[in-house]
Parts: sequence; structure tokens; C-alpha cells
Amino acid sequence: EDKVVQSPLSLVVHEGDTVTLNCSYEVTNFRSLLWYKQEKKAPTFLFMLTSSGIEKKSGRLSSILDKKELFSILNITATQTGDSAVYLCAGIPQEGSGAGSYQLTFGKGTKLSVIP
Amino acid sequence: ETGVTQTPRHLVMGMTNKKSLKCEQHLGHNAMYWYKQSAKKPLELMFVYNFKEQTENNSVPSRFSPECPNSSHLFLHLHTLQPEDSALYLCASSQGQTYNEQFFGPGTRLTVL
Repeated sequence: EDKVVQSPLSLVVHEGDTVTLNCSYEVTNFRSLLWYKQEKKAPTFLFMLTSSGIEKKSGRLSSILDKKELFSILNITATQTGDSAVYLCAGIPQEGSGAGSYQLTFGKGTKLSVIP
Repeated sequence: ETGVTQTPRHLVMGMTNKKSLKCEQHLGHNAMYWYKQSAKKPLELMFVYNFKEQTENNSVPSRFSPECPNSSHLFLHLHTLQPEDSALYLCASSQGQTYNEQFFGPGTRLTVL
């Protein structure tokens, strides 16, 4: 059974701190890993990582995938109160890789709280 | 505003009721998804449609019945639900390859009494 584990489950930091969120995965016929930010209801897409070792950046956020060790990290530098949210990662398999090939497995999320 | 709308935003129903959730996307995407998010559980994929064809039914009970009349609209028909079906139901859409960047709607908060 596919599994995605995120750590820590919750984190409290002060504004300006740098944080690293972790996501490890066990996904059959793995294709890509997705990161989302969920503030109130709808998750918003952050990154899709398919290649190992290539960092993706968007402003103060960056992420990288290690397909050998089966994990990804999401870094947020100079955190702001607006970064407070639940961060979700999900592993997806190759399309057409058999039964359940569209199965998208989410982790439980990391709840980040940034205090002024 | 992500370009994906869901109605209603809140729904309370009894176990014998029949109701439908509606999702509409204005992004020209070809793939649409239903997710269930329960308290303290990971997000669960329920159904995937790609070009109106259902490509995934993730062992969802038959009391949930999806309908995708065209690439812009997705429905989730509900009947004889159980209290444990109370959750946030999220719709999403994406363009091109399934699971490319997904845009989520605001969700419908469903309570089953």
C-alpha cells in the first residue's frame, strides 16, 4: 500500500525564521511529488517535482526531490505570518501503470504556525 | 479565486435525503477530480474524470455517484449517506496530463445528521 509521511505534524516558528518541512514516500511506480498549501479550505498548488536533485523555487519557497532516498523537502525562508497554513505533499504514480495507477496518496500535512 | 466554483458551500442533510454537489471550472481544463477531506485524515481522492471519461473510482461506496456531463462540470450525487460521510468535499481540475497542477474549488462542507 502506498504511503506518504510528513514531518513534523506541526511546527511553531517566529517571523523571519527559516523552516524545512519533510515528506517521505513509498509509491509504487512513482512519477512525481506534489506540494500544496492549504490555508482555510482549498489547497493551492506549490510545486510538482519529477526529477531528482533539481531545486524548484518560487519566491521564499523552494523544494527538492531525492528519488534515491524517497523524500522531498520544502523550505521556507524569512517566514511571514501569511505562511501559516497546512502544507500537504502527495505522491503520484506513472499513468497507465496498472490498477490504481491514478491513485494519489496524500500525507497528513504539516501545520505551520508563524507568530509575529 | 481559482476559477473552480463549488455549490453549495455548506450542506446539512439527513441520512434518507438525496442531494447533489456541483463543481464548475472556467479554466478550459480537461481533467476534474473529487476529493474528500475528513478531520485529522489525509486528503482522499474519490473520482477522476479525464475528457468526461471516468478514469478512477477509488473504491468509493455506491452511495456516492459522480456525473461529468462535459469537461467543465462535475457533479457528486449523494443518497442514503452515513454520519461518517460528513466532511469537506473538494473539487479540482487540471489541464493536460492527469495530476498536472490542480486548481481546487473552495469545497462543500457536508454534515450528515
